[in-house]
Amino acid sequence: NAGVMQNPRHLVRRRGQEARLRCSPMKGHSHVYWYRQLPEEGLKFMVYLQKENIIDESGMPKERFSAEFPKEGPSILRIQQVVRGDSAAYFCASSPDPTGDGYTFGSGTRLTVV
Amino acid sequence: GNSVTQMEGPVTLSEEAFLTINCTYTATGYPSLFWYVQYPGEGLQLLLKATKADDKGSNKGFEATYRKETTSFHLEKGSVQVSDSAVYFCALSDRGNTPLVFGKGTRLSVIA
Repeated sequence: NAGVMQNPRHLVRRRGQEARLRCSPMKGHSHVYWYRQLPEEGLKFMVYLQKENIIDESGMPKERFSAEFPKEGPSILRIQQVVRGDSAAYFCASSPDPTGDGYTFGSGTRLTVV
Repeated sequence: GNSVTQMEGPVTLSEEAFLTINCTYTATGYPSLFWYVQYPGEGLQLLLKATKADDKGSNKGFEATYRKETTSFHLEKGSVQVSDSAVYFCALSDRGNTPLVFGKGTRLSVIA
């Protein structure tokens, strides 16, 4: 029973390129959450999705960032025209229900913008 | 809105010392409370949780008691080991359709 799978583990992008981060939730989990962790800071909520729906995107920057969780396949966090300030660890978590009692986190994608 | 405040780190302890990491919260209603641990280079792992007042969560020698009267959920361990070195996050869930809210994390270093 695989856990939450994130890939790639490390991603290097030049300024202006696009970054695509993937998250496959645990089997049976239909709720996906993306968090960002800046160096030496806590986790900041970005977006909460269920299959084919964005439930809460209150933590997403208004520009350049988007997320999806299609009916088939992993959830994708997409960052267009990356800037140095986007360098961070991006974590995905999944849960079987929205109560928050059963989050399982992936190992994260560490994005470095050069 | 909901929020979590935990003591600032870093915390450095000698092996076998007693550990306390303070956590207080602000929430409407009766949230569930959690401690997560993040080892270097890894994601967060659930350490323990409590879902109602006076509940005590425990795991791997760590304990925390849900104190509604003081809105606190302090993490304790009687005797820390070097392998406990990690970042510890306090979090809450209001059990609605809103995501977990995390504190800023407390880095613990245990030296032999």
